Amino acid sequence: GESVGLHLPTLSVQEGDNSIINCAYSNSASDYFIWYKQESGKGPQFIIDIRSNMDKRQGQRVTVLLNKTVKHLSLQIAATQPGDSAVYFCAEKGTGTYKYIFGTGTRLKVLA
Amino acid sequence: DTGVSQNPRHKITKRGQNVTFRCDPISEHNRLYWYRQTLGQGPEFLTYFQNEAQLEKSRLLSDRFSAERPKGSFSTLEIQRTEQGDSAMYLCASSPGDRGWGETQYFGPGTRLLVL
Repeated sequence: GESVGLHLPTLSVQEGDNSIINCAYSNSASDYFIWYKQESGKGPQFIIDIRSNMDKRQGQRVTVLLNKTVKHLSLQIAATQPGDSAVYFCAEKGTGTYKYIFGTGTRLKVLA
Repeated sequence: DTGVSQNPRHKITKRGQNVTFRCDPISEHNRLYWYRQTLGQGPEFLTYFQNEAQLEKSRLLSDRFSAERPKGSFSTLEIQRTEQGDSAMYLCASSPGDRGWGETQYFGPGTRLLVL
């Protein structure tokens, strides 16, 4: 199928290693953030979210870190697996709106 | 699986023709969103509905684009007088609409439009 994000930044990691994907967001008033995973030919799939009053949230094998001072969001994936290969997007929501702004995305390649 | 569905999955049309896409959200989800995604980019917000009310529209949604959600369930996105620049993936998402501060959006598989 047609690929998503042919010219995206790419992160290549060895299977079993940890991955860190970074995102700089634009609006200091954003109050909610989501990380999505998108595989080729599919819609984005929710991974983990975080509110602006938090700086860290953990899920299964994933952790999101939020640094509001520098408007930076990161996604950490522990023990990266081949099935984690995809394009990852961060999205932010501004206060008082339900309009979500997506970042440009990062392609994660897991090397066997 | 009763996730978000979109039809058609693919649409090829000639420049100048009108096209309409349909989105069926997850049952009882109050909020419905439309996005456009081009190769190498993240989804771009187009509009969203709270039940049948269209509450916000992006400036990307020119006067050739119109979206409706007449009964607060399914939604349609129509593009009139299509242009080659309209070629993209059109994504629909829905969310429960019961949280004030933000909530997970569930995306459909998208409709890929190619304007020749």
